[in-house]
Amino acid sequence: QVQLVQSGPEMQKPGASVRVSCKASGYTFTGYYIHWVRQAPEQGLEWIGWINPENGGLKFAQKFQASVTMTRDTTINTVFMELSRLKSDDTAIYYCARVNTPLQAGPWGPFDSWGQGTLVTVSA
Amino acid sequence: QSVLTQPPSASGTPGQRVTISCSGSNSNIGSNSVNWYRQFPGTAPELLIYTNNQRHSGVPDRFSGSRSGTSATLTISGLQSDDEADYYCVAWDDSLNAYLFGLGTMVTVL
Repeated sequence: QVQLVQSGPEMQKPGASVRVSCKASGYTFTGYYIHWVRQAPEQGLEWIGWINPENGGLKFAQKFQASVTMTRDTTINTVFMELSRLKSDDTAIYYCARVNTPLQAGPWGPFDSWGQGTLVTVSA
Repeated sequence: QSVLTQPPSASGTPGQRVTISCSGSNSNIGSNSVNWYRQFPGTAPELLIYTNNQRHSGVPDRFSGSRSGTSATLTISGLQSDDEADYYCVAWDDSLNAYLFGLGTMVTVL
C-alpha cells in the first residue's frame, strides 16, 4: 500500500536551516506529485508547495519562495524539503502528501496519502 | 483573501445532521474543485471528499459534499461519536497560485 514515512523531529535555532525527508513506498515514485503542508501548534493547515518527482519541477507558495527548497532522490524514492533562515513562527508539524492522480494530470489533485508529520521546533 | 472561511465549530447529538460551510471567492472555490479533509488530534489529515462531492475510498456515505458558486458544504448525516475531529476545506486559488485551506471546523458530538 502507499506509504510516506518522514524523518524524525528536529530542533533548530533561529537563523538555521532544517531538512525534512519523506520516503515513499508502495507505488511508482516518479508517477505522482508530492506536496508539503505545515501546521503550527493549535493552528490550521498551510500549503507550502509541490515537487514533481520525475523532473524535479517545483512550485512554492509566495511566502515560502525565499526560504524553501525541495529536492528528490529517485534512487531512494525520497523527497526532501529544506527550510532556511528559520524563525520561531516556523515551529510546526510538516507533512508531505501525495496527489492521487497520475503525474500527467497535473499537481492539483487531492492528497490521498500523507506522511506521519515531522515536528520542527525553532527556539533559541 | 488568503484563507477560506469556515465556522470554528459545529456540534450535534448522535444521529443528527451537521453541515460545515466553506466560503471563498471566484478565484478559488468559484473556479476550482474543493476537497475536504478530516484530522483527529495528533494525526495527519485524511482525505474525505474530493472534487466537490466525490467520497474517497472507504468513506461512509454519511459524508457528502457540495459546491455552489463560491461556497462549498460538507454534510455529516447520522452523526457518530467518532466523527469528533477537525474538518478542513481546501481549493486552489488562481490569483494567488496556491492552495488555500480553510481554518478548520471542530466538530463536537454532544
